[in-house]
Amino acid sequence: SQTIHQWPATLVQPVGSPLSLECTVEGTSNPNLYWYRQAAGRGLQLLFYSVGIGQISSEVPQNLSASRPQDRQFILSSKKLLLSDSGFYLCAWSAPNGDTFGSGTRLTVV
Amino acid sequence: QKEVEQDPGPLSVPEGAIVSLNCTYSNSAFQYFMWYRQYSRKGPELLMYTYSSGNKEDGRFTAQVDKSSKYISLFIRDSQPSDSATYLCAMSAQRGSGSARQLTFGSGTQLTVLP
Repeated sequence: SQTIHQWPATLVQPVGSPLSLECTVEGTSNPNLYWYRQAAGRGLQLLFYSVGIGQISSEVPQNLSASRPQDRQFILSSKKLLLSDSGFYLCAWSAPNGDTFGSGTRLTVV
Repeated sequence: QKEVEQDPGPLSVPEGAIVSLNCTYSNSAFQYFMWYRQYSRKGPELLMYTYSSGNKEDGRFTAQVDKSSKYISLFIRDSQPSDSATYLCAMSAQRGSGSARQLTFGSGTQLTVLP
């Protein structure tokens, strides 16, 4: 069966520090992968998606970047975090009958 | 105007009640419709997926799509306290190169089922 792993679950980082969130998928090959951000009490905002290794599409201009170094690995990064980067970050992949989400990373920038 | 509108609630019902959750959308290109359940501090969990107008039933859950009215609903029968969560509607249209499917979400409805 397909599973998606996301870590860490919780992260507190100071303003100006770097960020690296990792997402891996098991049980499938060449998945379409996505990074979303969810602000408190709001829906999910698509940040990046990737259809293959090295292929990244950005939906929203921001302080973040994404990379896909391997088929089943998707990384969300920032060189210098801003307070506004705080939120709940979710990785997802497209399954035939709906998209499956990871458990999320709650990021607090202080 | 947002592409997807969802009543944020909160919605509070007694155990055993029938719950109706709704979303409207403006983009007629949306062809695929999903409902997710999200518990506090967890990732969304897919409940229902449908791509045609009409009803789809799965246990206590029924998803209804009316493409002509651009309106979708999720009904929960015999609601239980364990159904207490935020419910998100999501929809997508097929998109360009690579066949990447992008979801547009509603803002979520917070549901509490009281024992």
